[in-house]
Amino acid sequence: GQQVMQIPQYQHVQEGEDFTTYCNSSTTLSNIQWYKQRPGGHPVFLIQLVKSGEVKKQKRLTFQFGEAKKNSSLHITATQTTDVGTYFCAGPPVEKLTFGTGTRLTIIP
Amino acid sequence: DAGITQSPRHKVTETGTPVTLRCHQTENHRYMYWYRQDPGHGLRLIHYSYGVKDTDKGEVSDGYSVSRSKTEDFLLTLESATSSQTSVYFCAISAPGGITDTQYFGPGTRLTVL
Repeated sequence: GQQVMQIPQYQHVQEGEDFTTYCNSSTTLSNIQWYKQRPGGHPVFLIQLVKSGEVKKQKRLTFQFGEAKKNSSLHITATQTTDVGTYFCAGPPVEKLTFGTGTRLTIIP
Repeated sequence: DAGITQSPRHKVTETGTPVTLRCHQTENHRYMYWYRQDPGHGLRLIHYSYGVKDTDKGEVSDGYSVSRSKTEDFLLTLESATSSQTSVYFCAISAPGGITDTQYFGPGTRLTVL
């Protein structure tokens, strides 16, 4: 079955530094979703990418979908304390998502 | 937040006792899910439902059963809880084909099995 790997598992950065998490699938994906989970909270949908090579931005967050639609990345520019949490990618279908293991981001003030 | 509630939010129980977790939605979404979340494993699907009385297994279904007698409620039962089932359990809902094709998660239930 489909496997979605995510690296790194943990990332500690100084506030103001950039952060990137990578998601790799064993199969070609029709789309990929990203979720964020704050400490003690529940996962919340961030974005969905559909097209090959697609790039979407949400303020300081940049999401990319690979040309082969087998990998994706989330890049945060100039991290802030509000960025703390675990970021998950998830492969389709939405009826039965396959979640990556997540990257936990901690910020050092 | 989507109209999803989970009860109880926290529970401590002993090995061998039955436990039922409840997920309730007000969105009338067709699909409902139960996940467990453990350090290093992300979110793992236990069971899901695609309609009243229609359920299917996920990747970690052993030791769990589910029931859905009404659209709004999805119950997860641990017939005889074990310490390995200590985890945080999340319910989620989705409505594929809708405007926003995503899953919405409930607040979670922290279960400790002693």
